Amino acid sequence: EAGVTQSPTHLIKTRGQQATLRCSPISGHTSVYWYQQALGLGLQFLLWYDEGEERNRGNFPPRFSGRQFPNYSSELNVNALELEDSALYLCASSLGLAGGDEQYFGPGTRLTVT
Amino acid sequence: AQSVTQPDIHITVSEGASLELRCNYSYGATPYLFWYVQSPGQGLQLLLKYFSGDTLVQGIKGFEAEFKRSQSSFNLRKPSVHWSDAAEYFCAVERGGSQGNLIFGKGTKLSVKP
Repeated sequence: EAGVTQSPTHLIKTRGQQATLRCSPISGHTSVYWYQQALGLGLQFLLWYDEGEERNRGNFPPRFSGRQFPNYSSELNVNALELEDSALYLCASSLGLAGGDEQYFGPGTRLTVT
Repeated sequence: AQSVTQPDIHITVSEGASLELRCNYSYGATPYLFWYVQSPGQGLQLLLKYFSGDTLVQGIKGFEAEFKRSQSSFNLRKPSVHWSDAAEYFCAVERGGSQGNLIFGKGTKLSVKP
């Protein structure tokens, strides 16, 4: 069974541009989560989507947004890129169960903002 | 605000030696607790989780963790470390009522000496 997949593997953008990151969950999983892993800041929760709706959001500005498609894949958009947005962005998926749901992570997209 | 503390940034152990990685959390009630491992350039893999019941939980790759409510700790252990265990280990907490929002510790990097 295929795991969580993310594309692209690497993305290089210039400050002020927009970045789009994509995630395909494990088959049967309805929830998708996004995390940012920045140097020195650790892993921080960004967004949670379930059944096409945004269910929870971390402490990030509105220029971080996303959506979930009917096939449960998801997109993370980062507008007006800043240098500090450079990080590994991890996507995870789960069955969408209540509380303590196991999240399975993809390999990540390395975003570099120059 | 709740938090997860992993006091050891970097630990080096000899192959075959035992291992204990520390994790403390700050939360009023018993949260859902997880340990993840991240190999270089990879996403996170779930090692084990604690929801309730038996305070000693077994995970994959020979790891176990013990939940101690009185110490707000969830330490990860392995009786005999293999060179392939070299990686970064993250403790995470999901606060009840805030599904999807995993709060991670800063991680402990494990190096294994031959």
